[in-house]
Amino acid sequence: AQSVTQLGSHVSVSEGALVLLRCNYSSSVPPYLFWYVQYPNQGLQLLLKYTSAATLVKGINGFEAEFKKSETSFHLTKPSAHMSDAAEYFCAVRKEETSGSRLTFGEGTQLTVNP
Amino acid sequence: DAGITQSPRHKVTETGTPVTLRCHQTENHRYMYWYRQDPGHGLRLIHYSYGVKDTDKGEVSDGYSVSRSKTEDFLLTLESATSSQTSVYFCAISVTGGGNSPLHFGNGTRLTVT
Repeated sequence: AQSVTQLGSHVSVSEGALVLLRCNYSSSVPPYLFWYVQYPNQGLQLLLKYTSAATLVKGINGFEAEFKKSETSFHLTKPSAHMSDAAEYFCAVRKEETSGSRLTFGEGTQLTVNP
Repeated sequence: DAGITQSPRHKVTETGTPVTLRCHQTENHRYMYWYRQDPGHGLRLIHYSYGVKDTDKGEVSDGYSVSRSKTEDFLLTLESATSSQTSVYFCAISVTGGGNSPLHFGNGTRLTVT
């Protein structure tokens, strides 16, 4: 079954420091990959998605992710953390192109930004 | 704003009672989904719909049923609520439901079963 693993359920960084949230997927074919962010008491908001047009994907709020097939990874990064980045982040994967194919989510990583 | 409204936003109910959650979209998208979110589990798919009266089960469908009589509305029913169904429920919509088509989420319904 298609799955994703997010390494680290909690990540803490200082304001201005690099943010690195890890996501590894299991797939025998290049998958469709997404990162979402969830702020308290809200739904999930799309940060970025991998489209196969480029391995480095830029998203909103200064985040980007790099698809590495050899490592089956799609880690999320941001050069300089801001207090407003504190939230929970979810990696998600879809294997199929066909309509109705399911999006599977990782367990999430809670990001804390310290002043 | 993806044009998704979930109602109610909060509900407390007793074990054994029926509960219906509503998802309403203004985007006229074909695909609609119900997920539940629990600590340590991320989001898990309950049911989804690929058109009016066309639905299918997700990975955690036991104890839940759905209905979609109009494009814009997708209802999730707990026939007899149990404490294990205490969760936050999210509705999502998608244009194509496949490939790199993302899901767009509502703001969730927090359900507590006592």
